[in-house]
Amino acid sequence: TQLLEQSPQFLSIQEGENLTVYCNSSSVFSSLQWYRQEPGEGPVLLVTVVTGGEVKKLKRLTFQFGDARKDSSLHITAAQPGDTGLYLCAGDGGNTPLVFGKGTRLSVIA
Amino acid sequence: DVKVTQSSRYLVKRTGEKVFLECVQDMDHENMFWYRQDPGLGLRLIYFSYDVKMKEKGDIPEGYSVSREKKERFSLILESASTNQTSMYLCASSRDTNTGELFFGEGSRLTVL
Repeated sequence: TQLLEQSPQFLSIQEGENLTVYCNSSSVFSSLQWYRQEPGEGPVLLVTVVTGGEVKKLKRLTFQFGDARKDSSLHITAAQPGDTGLYLCAGDGGNTPLVFGKGTRLSVIA
Repeated sequence: DVKVTQSSRYLVKRTGEKVFLECVQDMDHENMFWYRQDPGLGLRLIYFSYDVKMKEKGDIPEGYSVSREKKERFSLILESASTNQTSMYLCASSRDTNTGELFFGEGSRLTVL
């Protein structure tokens, strides 16, 4: 069974701070997706990383896929209250549906 | 704008009742999924479907069934609701593969008393 471990589980920071959340596995994934879920809404895709070592940027968010395609990180620069939400990583392991991590709940305080 | 619509945002049911959760997508997607989301447990896959009249068990299918009579509609059925099925239920669809981008509905929060 493929598992994705996300850390930290909870994160509360002040506006303007930087943060990194992690998504780790012992399994290799063909690709990895990051979703953000805001309160009362369903998750929305932020990015998909496909190639080992790949780095993608989405404004203040930087996503990296590990060289071995077993892990990923999300770095947020100068966090804002609008970044508050649940961040989920999901891995494509092959011929099965996506495997989701349990998420990192981020709270950015103004 | 693409859309996945879940019929009820909030439901309150009694133990033993039959519960239907409906999900409709307007993107002509092949694949549809039902998840439940609980604090500390993340998203857990209940059932999924790659085509009309086709269904596959996910990780936690016990106590649930599904129906997909039309491509755009995927229904989750709780034959006899129990208190441990109190949860947030999320429906999702994807286009070409079971690992493509998932489009989620807003969720249905079910409380079983």
